[in-house]
Amino acid sequence: EDKVVQSPLSLVVHEGDTVTLNCSYEVTNFRSLLWYKQEKKAPTFLFMLTSSGIEKKSGRLSSILDKKELFSILNITATQTGDSAVYLCAAEQGGSEKLVFGKGTKLTVNP
Amino acid sequence: KAGVTQTPRYLIKTRGQQVTLSCSPISGHRSVSWYQQTPGQGLQFLFEYFSETQRNKGNFPGRFSGRQFSNSRSEMNVSTLELGDSALYLCASSVKRVEGHGEQYFGPGTRLTVT
Repeated sequence: EDKVVQSPLSLVVHEGDTVTLNCSYEVTNFRSLLWYKQEKKAPTFLFMLTSSGIEKKSGRLSSILDKKELFSILNITATQTGDSAVYLCAAEQGGSEKLVFGKGTKLTVNP
Repeated sequence: KAGVTQTPRYLIKTRGQQVTLSCSPISGHRSVSWYQQTPGQGLQFLFEYFSETQRNKGNFPGRFSGRQFSNSRSEMNVSTLELGDSALYLCASSVKRVEGHGEQYFGPGTRLTVT
């Protein structure tokens, strides 16, 4: 059965801290790994990773994929209260639009 | 460019009724996928449409169905509603490139409550 597991399930940090969110996957015919941020609304696209070892960056956020070990990490440096959200990881099956989502990591950044 | 739009945003129905939800993808996006999000199960894939054809279907009963129109707009229908169908229904669109599918962008969702 296809599955995506995220850890930790929740995380509470102080502003300025750096956090690392983990995502492991077992998906048939894996094609890509996507990260989304969800606040009290629809998930917002962050990154799409298709190649191992190539870091993608956007401001204070960065992510990398390891296709050999079947995992990805999302790093957030110098966290801000606006980073508080649920971060979702999803693995895409090749040949389809199907995304298999993890349960998410709830990040709370306190001032 | 306008994002994915979904209507209605909120809906309250009673058990046994049916419901139709609508999704308009980002202009130029031809693929539309539907997901159900609940606190217990998280986000689960319902189905995907491309060029008016259902390409993939998740593990949901036949009460869940959908369709896509020639302008790429999509609807999903749930018949004989059950309490467990209460959820946030999300639609996502993407550009379906030859070599891959592209990122999926989500709409705001329809919050369905079944009483």
